[in-house]
Amino acid sequence: NAGVTQTPKFQVLKTGQSMTLQCAQDMNHEYMSWYRQDPGMGLRLIHYSVGAGITDQGEVPNGYNVSRSTTEDFPLRLLSAAPSQTSVYFCASRGGGGTEAFFGQGTRLTVV
Amino acid sequence: GDSVTQMEGPVTLSEEAFLTINCTYTATGYPSLFWYVQYPGEGLQLLLKATKADDKGSNKGFEATYRKETTSFHLEKGSVQVSDSAVYFCALSHRDNDMRFGAGTRLTVKP
Repeated sequence: NAGVTQTPKFQVLKTGQSMTLQCAQDMNHEYMSWYRQDPGMGLRLIHYSVGAGITDQGEVPNGYNVSRSTTEDFPLRLLSAAPSQTSVYFCASRGGGGTEAFFGQGTRLTVV
Repeated sequence: GDSVTQMEGPVTLSEEAFLTINCTYTATGYPSLFWYVQYPGEGLQLLLKATKADDKGSNKGFEATYRKETTSFHLEKGSVQVSDSAVYFCALSHRDNDMRFGAGTRLTVKP
């Protein structure tokens, strides 16, 4: 099984550019989330979804958009990239409240 | 709201030393508790979990016991190896819609 697949693995953007980070899962999980990981900050939740058509904001949602048109896919859009968005981004999925999360391999984004 | 507080690192140990990484949580009700491990350049992998009070999760020689009375879920291993060098995250999952993670503890094991 592929599990959670993120693309791309690495990306360099110029300030002001936009892009979409892709995330797909093949486990039929209801819950999907996006986190960013910064040195000394652990994982911070950006946006999450509890099912197709339902999304909500996490701790650090500013500058990011999400949508959930299917159970499998949960893309993260950067509207106008800023250097403060330089980070490693992880997508995760899980079957429901109280269950463990499965993570993708991460996307390392640098904004110059 | 729910939160996880984790022992700050970094932690440096010699091979075969005993490991403890402290984790305490704040949550309403009865969350599930997890330890994740992240090796360099990789995503997070589930190491072990416990879903109710007094449960002990174990995997690869690591153990943690869900202590409701002290709201703790400390990670232990009796004899660490160089290959255990990684970042360890404590986390909880509740009926709410997102998981909460600790800040992570970097472990380095020297030969």
